[in-house]
Amino acid sequence: QVQLVQSGAEVKKPGASVKVSCKASGYTFTSYGISWVRQAPGQGLEWMGWISAYNGNTNYAQKLQGRVTMTTDTSTSTAYMELRSLRSDDTAVYYCARDSGSSGWGNWGQGTLVTVSS
Amino acid sequence: EIVLTQSPGTLSLSPGERATLSCRASQSVSSSYLAWYQQKPGQAPRLLIYGASSRATGIPDRFSGSGSGTDFTLTISRLEPEDFAVYYCQQYGSSPSTFGQGTKLEIK
Repeated sequence: QVQLVQSGAEVKKPGASVKVSCKASGYTFTSYGISWVRQAPGQGLEWMGWISAYNGNTNYAQKLQGRVTMTTDTSTSTAYMELRSLRSDDTAVYYCARDSGSSGWGNWGQGTLVTVSS
Repeated sequence: EIVLTQSPGTLSLSPGERATLSCRASQSVSSSYLAWYQQKPGQAPRLLIYGASSRATGIPDRFSGSGSGTDFTLTISRLEPEDFAVYYCQQYGSSPSTFGQGTKLEIK
């Protein structure tokens, strides 16, 4: 069965960087893209960007341009999301999701809580 | 970007009742790219409906989606206790993908 397993919770200071991993299994990794979504405490869902696991093409949310980098390692079927220059309002649960095109995002990771605090 | 507005913000109903949730877009959304998600506390979103009206794998048939253009609806025909949660609509046909602000379905 399809599974996306994310790395554990992180606590970072303002200005630092964080890198969250998302390990995929149960499907051909390079046949789907991965989207990243975050959810601040008590808030809604915010799309951060997308990466093609086939060729590494990316599409980032404009508000995160310059601070976010998404990559994949096809040898381990793992996607990564790095966010730099962290601020307190980056505190959120970060999710990866398998992008199945017109069939939507039916598989999500369990989420990774990133806390930014001095 | 396409702004999605969900209504109502909170819906108070009893088990066995019918729930109707609305999602309105600021511009036309391709019907192939409108989804609905259910989210419970501490859990990742769960895909219910994609393509405006197709149920995702394993989703009970009491959940149905409809609509086109700028107006979409999620209907839960007879509420079960496990259906009380927050529901989000999402458009994923144009970049950036966007989500509605959510509708909280609570027990009356």
